[in-house]
Amino acid sequence: EVQLLESGGGLVQPGGSLRLSCVASGFTFSNYAMTWVRQAPGKGLEWVSVISGSGGSIYYADSVKGRFTISRDNSNNTLFLQLSSLRAEDTALYYCARDATWELLGRWGNWGQGTLVSVSS
Amino acid sequence: DIQMTQSPSSLSASVGDKVTITCRASQSIITYLNWYQQKPGQAPKLLISGASRLERGVPSRFSGTGSGTDFTLTITRLQREDFATYYCQHNYRAPPWTFGQGTKVEIK
Repeated sequence: EVQLLESGGGLVQPGGSLRLSCVASGFTFSNYAMTWVRQAPGKGLEWVSVISGSGGSIYYADSVKGRFTISRDNSNNTLFLQLSSLRAEDTALYYCARDATWELLGRWGNWGQGTLVSVSS
Repeated sequence: DIQMTQSPSSLSASVGDKVTITCRASQSIITYLNWYQQKPGQAPKLLISGASRLERGVPSRFSGTGSGTDFTLTITRLQREDFATYYCQHNYRAPPWTFGQGTKVEIK
């Protein structure tokens, strides 16, 4: 069974940093691209970033480019999202999701339950 | 970037009704269109990919049609467990991939 477990969220002041993790199990992690999607409280879904299975291809939404960094550790089945220069508008539930293959297909059939990031002074 | 516009933003329906949700892309995305269902407190669930391909385990009362810029999600014979928010999302070419703003299906 595919499982994705996010952690690392919390309350942080504007301008601060956080590192989110997503531990995967139940599949060969390196064979799949992984993505982060966020959802502000009461709002819709926003794609944030994606990384290919090898880590060689990475993309970001314009809203986070230059502030967030996605990475992965295939030996430990873990996806990361480093959040820096955080703003109030980054407050959201952050989901990790698995793509259909190692390529960047943008089709997410497996999701974690999310980790909440709150940016406030 | 490609913009996705869903309509309506919300609707009220009764169990047994047929429900139609539309999604329009700001440019042609061929059939690179996915539909997700999200219930309160839960992660999204992929229902349909490639505009019309039903994911494994998704009931056949869900169907998707469309190509180019205009797409439709239809739920025939609405069931109680179908009350949720539905999102379209394009995966055309390289990112960024965008979602529609969502359509909340409520009980009448």
